[in-house]
Amino acid sequence: DTAVSQTPKYLVTQMGNDKSIKCEQNLGHDTMYWYKQDSKKFLKIMFSYNNKELIINETVPNRFSPKSPDKAHLNLHINSLELGDSAVYFCASSQELSEQYFGPGTRLTVT
Amino acid sequence: GNSVTQMEGPVTLSEEAFLTINCTYTATGYPSLFWYVQYPGEGLQLLLKATKADDKGSNKGFEATYRKETTSFHLEKGSVQVSDSAVYFCALSDTGTASKLTFGTGTRLQVTL
Repeated sequence: DTAVSQTPKYLVTQMGNDKSIKCEQNLGHDTMYWYKQDSKKFLKIMFSYNNKELIINETVPNRFSPKSPDKAHLNLHINSLELGDSAVYFCASSQELSEQYFGPGTRLTVT
Repeated sequence: GNSVTQMEGPVTLSEEAFLTINCTYTATGYPSLFWYVQYPGEGLQLLLKATKADDKGSNKGFEATYRKETTSFHLEKGSVQVSDSAVYFCALSDTGTASKLTFGTGTRLQVTL
């Protein structure tokens, strides 16, 4: 009964490909997030959705497109992958202004 | 904008040593403050939090006090264990509609026997 789950856990792909990462939470939270963790472990928010509505959109290339089919899911689609997209991507969820719960991460490697 | 500054690691300690990881922040308004821990190969777990000045968050022997006057939220533990080896992140969330977390750069702790 994982609270926040992500698939896949590892993703290796070539430059120029399009890929998606899926996230699901079973906590009943209203808000979901995507964070990127670079090779130096630095974490930065990318997007946030509240009740399927985009509320945070940081300076992220428009090759990245989040999609929230319902409030329990927030997927991340990435077009035309580049080497610099290699990172660990974390999904998180929270209820209103409470603490965020993180998924296990998806390690994306672009070759 | 908001920012969080953590002491650089790695921090290497012997088991049962005292731990302090410094964290200071810059923010408008009255943010909530958090410490998250990331064990090797895993996601982030909330370790403790404080939502207002002078609050003390504590969990698993770790504690941190929200100091508004020094804009600090230092993490301490009296006696570390090998199992505490991990990366520790200080973070703050603003009080907007979405509690966007701003993270520090993380501090790696290595505890040896």
